[in-house]
Amino acid sequence: QKEVEQNSGPLSVPEGAIASLNCTYSDRGSQSFFWYRQYSGKSPELIMFIYSNGDKEDGRFTAQLNKASQYVSLLIRDSQPSDSATYLCAVGGVTGGGNKLTFGTGTQLKVEL
Amino acid sequence: GAVVSQHPSRVICKSGTSVKIECRSLDFQATTMFWYRQFPKQSLMLMATSNEGSKATYEQGVEKDKFLINHASLTLSTLTVTSAHPEDSSFYICSAGQGFDEQYFGPGTRLTVT
Repeated sequence: QKEVEQNSGPLSVPEGAIASLNCTYSDRGSQSFFWYRQYSGKSPELIMFIYSNGDKEDGRFTAQLNKASQYVSLLIRDSQPSDSATYLCAVGGVTGGGNKLTFGTGTQLKVEL
Repeated sequence: GAVVSQHPSRVICKSGTSVKIECRSLDFQATTMFWYRQFPKQSLMLMATSNEGSKATYEQGVEKDKFLINHASLTLSTLTVTSAHPEDSSFYICSAGQGFDEQYFGPGTRLTVT
């Protein structure tokens, strides 16, 4: 079982719709959760982080964390073509991992006109 | 805030030569920096964790004598790929740690070994 799992996609949504990206993790001791956006040929960019159960909103982005079910999700409202990218879920505080992050393989999002 | 730079952005070198990549945190001090490698259409692969003033911790399967890491100050870490070969061609990305597990990535260095 992979430590951090994401559906590779592509996830296609029409412009203006809500894109929902999901991630599950295996280590119950995980403490911190991150969403990165990576455009093709570029390095990852941190867009959200969340540490506590519940929702955290930042502009069009909402991160949701459910530690009991071991999943974290990212909602993108009013999706734009510029949101088309690969979204990486990362988990920190994994047992024995020090301050490393464990990354999922990413979900490719395509926002269509 | 949390800006990380990398230099060079692209480098082409001949097989057998060494290449040094610099990673700098521009507006914060980073006790810990990380080095990743990413092959086309693949996920990030952590190579090593670099702590200021101490030896780097390498991930399993990463040759420490081939990928030399130095973290001499709180704002600078370097990765030297020694005796590079074509299979070392990849996208090398550093990140700097801040806060509680947050990592901010540099723009990456695309290495091509001919």
